[in-house]
Amino acid sequence: AQSVTQLGSHVSVSEGALVLLRCNYSSSVPPYLFWYVQYPNQGLQLLLKYTTGATLVKGINGFEAEFKKSETSFHLTKPSAHMSDAAEYFCAMFQGAQKLVFGQGTRLTINP
Amino acid sequence: DTGVSQDPRHKITKRGQNVTFRCDPISEHNRLYWYRQTLGQGPEFLTYFQNEAQLEKSRLLSDRFSAERPKGSFSTLEIQRTEQGDSAMYLCASSRWDSTSNEQFFGPGTRLTVL
Repeated sequence: AQSVTQLGSHVSVSEGALVLLRCNYSSSVPPYLFWYVQYPNQGLQLLLKYTTGATLVKGINGFEAEFKKSETSFHLTKPSAHMSDAAEYFCAMFQGAQKLVFGQGTRLTINP
Repeated sequence: DTGVSQDPRHKITKRGQNVTFRCDPISEHNRLYWYRQTLGQGPEFLTYFQNEAQLEKSRLLSDRFSAERPKGSFSTLEIQRTEQGDSAMYLCASSRWDSTSNEQFFGPGTRLTVL
């Protein structure tokens, strides 16, 4: 069965520090992978996506993620955290080319 | 605003009542999805439409739930005889099924509270 696991339900970093949010997937077919961000009481906004091709993908707001097939990972990073990055982040994968399967989410807190 | 819209944004109801939510997708999108998100969890797939046809339903969608997409435009999700366990955020998303990535665009959600 296809699944997505996010390691760490809560990550806290200082403003200006590196952000690293971890995501591992399980899939029997080449995956399409996504990172979404959700601000309080709002829907999900796409940060970035990996379909095929280059394994390092860049997204909005300075975020990037690297697809590593050997590690079945798709970790999200940002070199320097900003206060506005505080939100809930979800890693997701297509299942059956139709619906998204989400991880349980990681709440990112930025300390001043 | 040309994004996905949902109405209402918040709904409080008493157990046993029926509720209906509406989703208006991005106009040129032919696929529409419903997800449910409970507190502290990621969204879970409920059902999706391609144009007016409902092509898949999750086992999470009990017989108290029904979704429609008449004419392939807006969609409604109805919950009959609501239970406290139905309290959640209901998210709608749409996509245009002609691209390899099939990016889904999400609406702001409808938060349901069942008392």
